[in-house]
Amino acid sequence: DAGITQSPRYKITETGRQVTLMCHQTWSHSYMFWYRQDLGHGLRLIYYSAAADITDKGEVPDGYVVSRSKTENFPLTLESATRSQTSVYFCASSEPPSGRFQETQYFGPGTRLLVL
Amino acid sequence: AQSVTQLGSHVSVSEGALVLLRCNYSSSVPPYLFWYVQYPNQGLQLLLKYTTGATLVKGINGFEAEFKKSETSFHLTKPSAHMSDAAEYFCAVSDRGFQKLVFGTGTRLLVSP
Repeated sequence: DAGITQSPRYKITETGRQVTLMCHQTWSHSYMFWYRQDLGHGLRLIYYSAAADITDKGEVPDGYVVSRSKTENFPLTLESATRSQTSVYFCASSEPPSGRFQETQYFGPGTRLLVL
Repeated sequence: AQSVTQLGSHVSVSEGALVLLRCNYSSSVPPYLFWYVQYPNQGLQLLLKYTTGATLVKGINGFEAEFKKSETSFHLTKPSAHMSDAAEYFCAVSDRGFQKLVFGTGTRLLVSP
């Protein structure tokens, strides 16, 4: 299916475990993003990537690791999950900014993660 | 640093009434401004965006927003609410030339019959 997909959609894990959230897009967008959504905070940027093998930190990167070996995939790994990482995680993708214009970000359906 | 303030975590309107969702931003440079909508258990969908040109921006589903530089505001309006408009709405800002968005905390719109 075309678009941006995330897996799993729901995940329950325990403190200290490693968890990887997957994101896949079929548009060949060069930019990809990971956000977390928490009540009272809106969406906050965790990491983003401008192209394959190019990643950079966002607002709240601590405790997370990303990689991007292929343009279409952008996995997010919680190396040792903590309860504070219980959240809804959204992946997004976009074209690069073109001149004066910023390109629209397209969001996946989200992954609900519960860390016990 | 850029920031966005959305006044009111919840807004309640009756069906057919005017919808007004408030957004104020802080940016050291002329910003790009966005409104996204999130329906329950779904990702975010772009409603409209202001990048340059006309300050009154029309979006999908009858929504529009006006960029007012003097008031650093980008309020979202719709003349007549519909039950299907019930959702959470996020205002976001970014610097020109960059793809990183800074989101507000969101406003949940409740529409009653």
